[in-house]
Amino acid sequence: DVQLVESGGGLVQPGGSLRLSCAASGFTFSSWSMNWVRQAPGKGLEWISYISSSSRVIYYADSVRGRFTISRDNAKNSLFLQMDSLRDEDTAVYHCARVDISRGWYEDYWGQGTLVTVSS
Amino acid sequence: EIVLTQSPGTLSLSPGERATLSCRASQSVSRSYLAWYQQRPGQAPRLLIHGASSRAAGIPDRFSGSGSGTDFTLTISRLEPEDFAVYFCQQYDISPRTFGQGTKLEIK
Repeated sequence: DVQLVESGGGLVQPGGSLRLSCAASGFTFSSWSMNWVRQAPGKGLEWISYISSSSRVIYYADSVRGRFTISRDNAKNSLFLQMDSLRDEDTAVYHCARVDISRGWYEDYWGQGTLVTVSS
Repeated sequence: EIVLTQSPGTLSLSPGERATLSCRASQSVSRSYLAWYQQRPGQAPRLLIHGASSRAAGIPDRFSGSGSGTDFTLTISRLEPEDFAVYFCQQYDISPRTFGQGTKLEIK
C-alpha cells in the first residue's frame, strides 16, 4: 500500500524556519512527481510546490516563492520542504502527495499532514 | 485564477439516501481536468474521481462524477456511514491549480 508520512511540524516564531519531511513507501518513489499542499485552519486546500521525479522541474505558488524550497532524496524515499521567513499566514497542516502526471497532474495519494503553527 | 464554488456548504442526509454535490468553476475547465477528494476528520484526503468522471482505484461504484465546462457534480448513490465527510473539488487545467472550499456531508 502507498504510504506517505509527514514530520517536522511544530510551533515557530514569525521569521523563523522549519524543515518538513515526508517518508514514502509502497511505491517506486523515484518514478513519481510529488507535491506539497497545505490547509489553513478552517480553510480550503492550497497547492504550494511541485517537484518532478528527477528534481529537474520545480514549481512554487506565488505565496511561498522565494521563501520555501522543495527537494527530494530518491535514495532515501524522502521529500522535503525547507520553510524560511515564516509568516503567520503560513500556519496550516502541510500534506505531501504523490502526483499522477499521466493526464494533467493531480494528487492520487496524500499523507495525513503535519501541523505548522507560526506565532509569537 | 479559476475559482471553484462548491454547494451546498453543508448537506444533511441519512444513510441510504442519494447525495448530489456541486462544483461550479468561474471559467471553463477544459479537458475535464477536475478531481474530487474525500476527507474524513484527522485523515488524509482521498482521491475519488479524476478527469471529471473516472473513478480512482478502489473507489466503490456508488461514487460517480459528471459534468463539463463550468459545472461538475459528484453523486453518491446510496450513502454508507463512512461516506459522511468533507468533499473537495479541484481543477488542474489552468495554473494555479485551485480547490473548492468544500462541502460537509453530515448525518441527518
